[in-house]
Amino acid sequence: GAGVSQTPSNKVTEKGKYVELRCDPISGHTALYWYRQSLGQGPEFLIYFQGTGAADDSGLPNDRFFAVRPEGSVSTLKIQRTERGDSAVYLCASSPRLAGEQFFGPGTRLTVL
Amino acid sequence: SQQGEEDPQALSIQEGENATMNCSYKTSINNLQWYRQNSGRGLVHLILIRSNEREKHSGRLRVTLDTSKKSSSLLITASRAADTASYFCATDAWETSGSRLTFGEGTQLTVNP
Repeated sequence: GAGVSQTPSNKVTEKGKYVELRCDPISGHTALYWYRQSLGQGPEFLIYFQGTGAADDSGLPNDRFFAVRPEGSVSTLKIQRTERGDSAVYLCASSPRLAGEQFFGPGTRLTVL
Repeated sequence: SQQGEEDPQALSIQEGENATMNCSYKTSINNLQWYRQNSGRGLVHLILIRSNEREKHSGRLRVTLDTSKKSSSLLITASRAADTASYFCATDAWETSGSRLTFGEGTQLTVNP
């Protein structure tokens, strides 16, 4: 009965480095979402997976951002050549059905120095 | 991009009072959801109202939806100090149904003991 988990909870990196953020969705949830939230703002959509495939990646800001979900469960968000503007809380959510409520993880706070 | 606008941005009330938060959006929706967030981390789903519903209740929460005005309101009755949090409305739009939620910028609610 565990909820969505995300690791690490905090990540501090230097400008230009590569980072990976992991999301473990609730078991059996086929839909998985990544959002990014800047201070004082609401979450903004990045990418949506239905099963293993990225059904909608139109929210990814540029080609430095990439996400995978190879076995339809765990997902990894990958950011290359990080920039200070990438600093934010990255939230993952999963859902058992389309257009239903989403269950959010605690987020990963990314700080790019 | 942020579709929703929440009003007010911040609300401070005394315990026992009612709190009303409003949300406006721009596109046609499949459903509208309200979430709560403590300390800028994971979001907790509160209530989902479908486009063909006008009002919904859950415990001390009452949500209304007016699709003609593209607006929704969240009422928390008999507020408690523990209700202090940020509250976000999020829309599931028809054209992207199920693939993402579009969040407003949130209302910061403070309930003073």
